[in-house]
Amino acid sequence: RKEVEQDPGPFNVPEGATVAFNCTYSNSASQSFFWYRQDCRKEPKLLMSVYSSGNEDGRFTAQLNRASQYISLLIRDSKLSDSATYLCVVNMGTNAGKSTFGDGTTLTVKP
Amino acid sequence: GAGVSQSPSNKVTEKGKDVELRCDPISGHTALYWYRQSLGQGLEFLIYFQGNSAPDKSGLPSDRFSAERTGGSVSTLTIQRTQQEDSAVYLCASSLELAGKQYFGPGTRLTVL
Repeated sequence: RKEVEQDPGPFNVPEGATVAFNCTYSNSASQSFFWYRQDCRKEPKLLMSVYSSGNEDGRFTAQLNRASQYISLLIRDSKLSDSATYLCVVNMGTNAGKSTFGDGTTLTVKP
Repeated sequence: GAGVSQSPSNKVTEKGKDVELRCDPISGHTALYWYRQSLGQGLEFLIYFQGNSAPDKSGLPSDRFSAERTGGSVSTLTIQRTQQEDSAVYLCASSLELAGKQYFGPGTRLTVL
């Protein structure tokens, strides 16, 4: 089993739709969590951190469920520009510098 | 301010040659990370530095790979005797503190012929 798993998709949604991605992790000692987006042939860019209490940034909401060991990303009112691959990242507590990326979930927002 | 920079942006080399990839992190960032991404694949963690120290080298694919960081700033990733399977984009990232938000450079696209 991979340390971090994501549904690869693709998710194809119309503009204005709400879409949610999940990411599960296997190490219960994991301590920090992030969502990144990666456009085709570009480097990953930080989207948002994920905090235990959940956090929101505009149309984006991230949540952490430690009991079930998953994080989620909710995108409301999808825009064409949201089309990208979304990567979750987990840092293990015992080896904090070792970041494990999920393989990504591909989102395509269509007119 | 300036972001993470990497050089060269593209490198084409022949099998068996050595290559050196460079990463300049954001000024003041104590942690630095190297990843590899093959075409259509996810990011593969290689190594991280806290200051000049690399506590965990287990992510390096083979003993042909080595990395160093000097002065708590610039890092170089060296691949000796390159093989075709080393072809990938090598990404560097830095963060203010270990396990914090990482900011990526544009990557070095390595092609081994």
